[in-house]
Amino acid sequence: AQSVAQPEDQVNVAEGNPLTVKCTYSVSGNPYLFWYVQYPNRGLQFLLKYITGDNLVKGSYGFEAEFNKSQTSFHLKKPSALVSDSALYFCAVRDMIEAGTALIFGKGTTLSVSS
Amino acid sequence: DTGVSQDPRHKITKRGQNVTFRCDPISEHNRLYWYRQTLGQGPEFLTYFQNEAQLEKSRLLSDRFSAERPKGSFSTLEIQRTEQGDSAMYLCASSLGRRNQETQYFGPGTRLLVL
Repeated sequence: AQSVAQPEDQVNVAEGNPLTVKCTYSVSGNPYLFWYVQYPNRGLQFLLKYITGDNLVKGSYGFEAEFNKSQTSFHLKKPSALVSDSALYFCAVRDMIEAGTALIFGKGTTLSVSS
Repeated sequence: DTGVSQDPRHKITKRGQNVTFRCDPISEHNRLYWYRQTLGQGPEFLTYFQNEAQLEKSRLLSDRFSAERPKGSFSTLEIQRTEQGDSAMYLCASSLGRRNQETQYFGPGTRLLVL
């Protein structure tokens, strides 16, 4: 069965510092991996995805994520955090082989960037 | 920017009443998904349409839930005899493609409160 774990409920970082939001996954085959961001009372906005190829994926708003197959991780990173990055972040996975189109989401990590 | 739209954005109802939500996907997207998100959790898959065909249903989709996409464009999600446990954010997403690597784009959601 597919699953996603986001081990931190909350991440606190000062503006200008680098940030990391962690994600690990479990699939039976090879994964498609996604990061979304959710602002209060709004839907999910797509940030980036890993399908195949380069393990470092660049996305919107200066975010990037590194796919690590041996550690089954897909951590979200940004070199310099902004206060406006404060939001709820979700990691999601799909199995390339297993039937089904649903995204399986983690529980989310709240990012708080202080000025 | 014609993204995914959902109506209504908020719905308050009494237990036992029926409610219906509408989702308009991004134009020409052939795939449409419904998810449910409760407080402190990531979205959970409910059902999926490819054009007008409902191809997948989660076990979360009880007999009281029904979804349609009659002409392969907009979709409706109906909940009959609502229960307090149905209170959640209902999210719609759409995508274009035939393989599972394409990105799902989410609407703003309909927040349901059952009293």
